[in-house]
Amino acid sequence: DQQVKQNSPSLSVQEGRISILNCDYTNSMFDYFLWYKKYPAEGPTFLISISSIKDKNEDGRFTVFLNKSAKHLSLHIVPSQPGDSAVYFCAASEGTGANNLFFGTGTRLTVIP
Amino acid sequence: GAVVSQHPSWVICKSGTSVKIECRSLDFQATTMFWYRQFPKQSLMLMATSNEGSKATYEQGVEKDKFLINHASLTLSTLTVTSAHPEDSSFYICSAREQVISDEQYFGPGTRLTVT
Repeated sequence: DQQVKQNSPSLSVQEGRISILNCDYTNSMFDYFLWYKKYPAEGPTFLISISSIKDKNEDGRFTVFLNKSAKHLSLHIVPSQPGDSAVYFCAASEGTGANNLFFGTGTRLTVIP
Repeated sequence: GAVVSQHPSWVICKSGTSVKIECRSLDFQATTMFWYRQFPKQSLMLMATSNEGSKATYEQGVEKDKFLINHASLTLSTLTVTSAHPEDSSFYICSAREQVISDEQYFGPGTRLTVT
């Protein structure tokens, strides 16, 4: 039972444009959400997170939006750069220090120069 | 900082043999380490959580006698897949959490296991 879903396996965006990666979840107990970025042959690295008490968190070119009523979050990257090309995973947990992170299947972003 | 390594990065073994995968935190002490498994086109699924010096806690559906986890020090955890079968072929990835400065999990690069 997939509690975190990323329905788009891939996304291509022109350099300089906005990349929007989407994520949906089903468990209403999730209150902490994270985005990870993964390059080939490397482990996922933490990118940005958001707690359910917020609906937006921004860090440089990266912004995560959370819509609790829709159980939906999105990651916006603007402007997109070729170095952003990677697989992006959405993850969710109950609490910030929870052991169990529930991951989506990932979205492969390709930024075209 | 916060680098986690895994060894080997890929391994092929014959059915019925055992394989050990190491996970090391290189520049911090990991109070907790996690083992995940990812099948093709599926998400990372947590298999077990281990705290240094104590027995691992396994997620539902994960056989503890088949996937032996040892967390003998604050920088090393090992996962041994015993009596491997082709259906154990997967991508195994570990993560480590330091927990003094942050609750963030730092992931290793993963190990691709193929059982023939």
